Amino acid sequence: DAGVTQSPTHLIKTRGQQVTLRCSPKSGHDTVSWYQQALGQGPQFIFQYYEEEERQRGNFPDRFSGHQFPNYSSELNVNALLLGDSALYLCASSLGAGNSPLHFGNGTRLTVT
Amino acid sequence: QKEVEQDPGPLSVPEGAIVSLNCTYSNSAFQYFMWYRQYSRKGPELLMYTYSSGNKEDGRFTAQVDKSSKYISLFIRDSQPSDSATYLCASRGAGGTSYGKLTFGQGTILTVHP
Repeated sequence: DAGVTQSPTHLIKTRGQQVTLRCSPKSGHDTVSWYQQALGQGPQFIFQYYEEEERQRGNFPDRFSGHQFPNYSSELNVNALLLGDSALYLCASSLGAGNSPLHFGNGTRLTVT
Repeated sequence: QKEVEQDPGPLSVPEGAIVSLNCTYSNSAFQYFMWYRQYSRKGPELLMYTYSSGNKEDGRFTAQVDKSSKYISLFIRDSQPSDSATYLCASRGAGGTSYGKLTFGQGTILTVHP
């Protein structure tokens, strides 16, 4: 049973560039959430996608956007990268947009130079 | 003030010790409480998932929630070196705009030495 998979595992970008991160949810899950985890901190909620729509959003600027595809996979896009965007980006999947527990992937480590 | 506060440690204990990890929260709307374990260079792994107040046991792990004091605890019995990791507490509300959003503590770094 495949868990949550994310690609790429590591990425180095330059300030001002744009980046796309990808996520495939755990088998049987239909909801994807994205989190940003800075070094030494807990994850912070970016947004959640369910039925191909953004359902919830955390306190992140519009430079952060996403998409969910009919097969439930998802992308996170970040435009105009800042040094402060360097972090581990985690994708979590769950069943439905309700109260089922979240299962996380191993993340994409983004470094902005 | 952060909605979920957690002592970052680090916490170092000998093998076999009982470990107590704690969090406090401030949002009265929180109804679901979780503990995740995160190894270095890995994503968080769900350990315990509880609703409202009370205790939940799973093997060597016991989660406690006291909503009256807004206090969350995780106890690890007979700790092993393989338990060395960062432990994250997380909470969320019961519905509406709370569904997808987990609020995490900072994480506590635990080392169990042989």
